[in-house]
Amino acid sequence: EDKVVQSPLSLVVHEGDTVTLNCSYEVTNFRSLLWYKQEKKAPTFLFMLTSSGIEKKSGRLSSILDKKELFSILNITATQTGDSAVYLCAGVANNLFFGTGTRLTVIP
Amino acid sequence: DVKVTQSSRYLVKRTGEKVFLECVQDMDHENMFWYRQDPGLGLRLIYFSYDVKMKEKGDIPEGYSVSREKKERFSLILESASTNQTSMYLCATQSAGGANQPQHFGDGTRLSIL
Repeated sequence: EDKVVQSPLSLVVHEGDTVTLNCSYEVTNFRSLLWYKQEKKAPTFLFMLTSSGIEKKSGRLSSILDKKELFSILNITATQTGDSAVYLCAGVANNLFFGTGTRLTVIP
Repeated sequence: DVKVTQSSRYLVKRTGEKVFLECVQDMDHENMFWYRQDPGLGLRLIYFSYDVKMKEKGDIPEGYSVSREKKERFSLILESASTNQTSMYLCATQSAGGANQPQHFGDGTRLSIL
């Protein structure tokens, strides 16, 4: 059965900390992995990863995929209160398989 | 920018009612999806559509149907609403460039069935 598992389920950090969110997957005919940030509304797209070992960056966020070990990490450096959200990863085959998300809370 | 509009942010209905959730997109995307999101269960795919009048079952289609009469509009129908269908419903669109294209989500409809 295809599944995507995220850890930790929730995380509380202070502003300025660096966090690493984990996503492991078992997806048949895997093509890529997506990261989303969800605040109060709908998920917003962050990254799409298709190749192993190539880091994608956007400001303080970065992500990398390991297709041999079947996982991805999302790093956020110098966290801010605006980073508080649920972070979702999804494995892409013919459909998307979402993890249940990591709830990040950044406190001042 | 892709714009995906869901007709209602909040909706309250009674058990047994027929409920329509509407989703409209303005980017001429071929693919459209309906998900529900529940605490601890993440996002689960209900139905999707790759073309007008075409529909495919997702992981949890029971109790739902869909309609895609026009390319820009994808409707989710609860034939006879039940309390276990209380949830957040999210519509998403995707261009036909392949499964590697990211999906773009609407703001969601929080549906309560009393």
